[in-house]
Amino acid sequence: KQEVTQIPAALSVPEGENLVLNCSFTDSAIYNLQWFRQDPGKGLTSLLLIQSSQREQTSGRLNASLDKSSGRSTLYIAASQPGDSATYLCAVSGGGTSYGKLTFGQGTILTVHP
Amino acid sequence: DGGITQSPKYLFRKEGQNVTLSCEQNLNHDAMYWYRQDPGQGLRLIYYSQIVNDFQKGDIAEGYSVSREKKESFPLTVTSAQKNPTAFYLCASSVGGAYNEQFFGPGTRLTVL
Repeated sequence: KQEVTQIPAALSVPEGENLVLNCSFTDSAIYNLQWFRQDPGKGLTSLLLIQSSQREQTSGRLNASLDKSSGRSTLYIAASQPGDSATYLCAVSGGGTSYGKLTFGQGTILTVHP
Repeated sequence: DGGITQSPKYLFRKEGQNVTLSCEQNLNHDAMYWYRQDPGQGLRLIYYSQIVNDFQKGDIAEGYSVSREKKESFPLTVTSAQKNPTAFYLCASSVGGAYNEQFFGPGTRLTVL
């Protein structure tokens, strides 16, 4: 059974810092990995999708890497801003799960203070 | 605007009632999904549908039912058999296939009175 773990559970940083969020998964036979952002009481916003054959994806100040063989992904946020405060979730598709199903980690709550 | 809409935003249910949550998408996606989010437990898959008139159970389907009569609609019914329905419900869609990106709606918060 695929399991996804995110570390740390919460992170508080001052504005302007670069930071890294970690995601690990137990079954490396994944199709892809997605990073999402969730604001309180809202739905999920897709940030980056990395296919299993890719090593990284970039969008603006965000960079996500994938090491499938070791079961790890990182989300790098450059020059953090208070508007980046949210919960960040990673999810994997595949790894012995139902077709198309995403298995989610429990998220990292990020607070960026001015 | 293309996207996924869910209604209502808030829903209150009395004991023994069935309630239906709406999910509509105008992205022309084949696949649709329902997830449940509880504090401290992340998101869990309830049901999914890869094509019209077909759907499969996810990890926690007991006490729920769905239909997929139209490509753009995937309503979820929370029945009285669901003993702990208070949660945040999220609908998602994708083009289809395991490699595709999933997009989420704004969610419905269901509370049992």
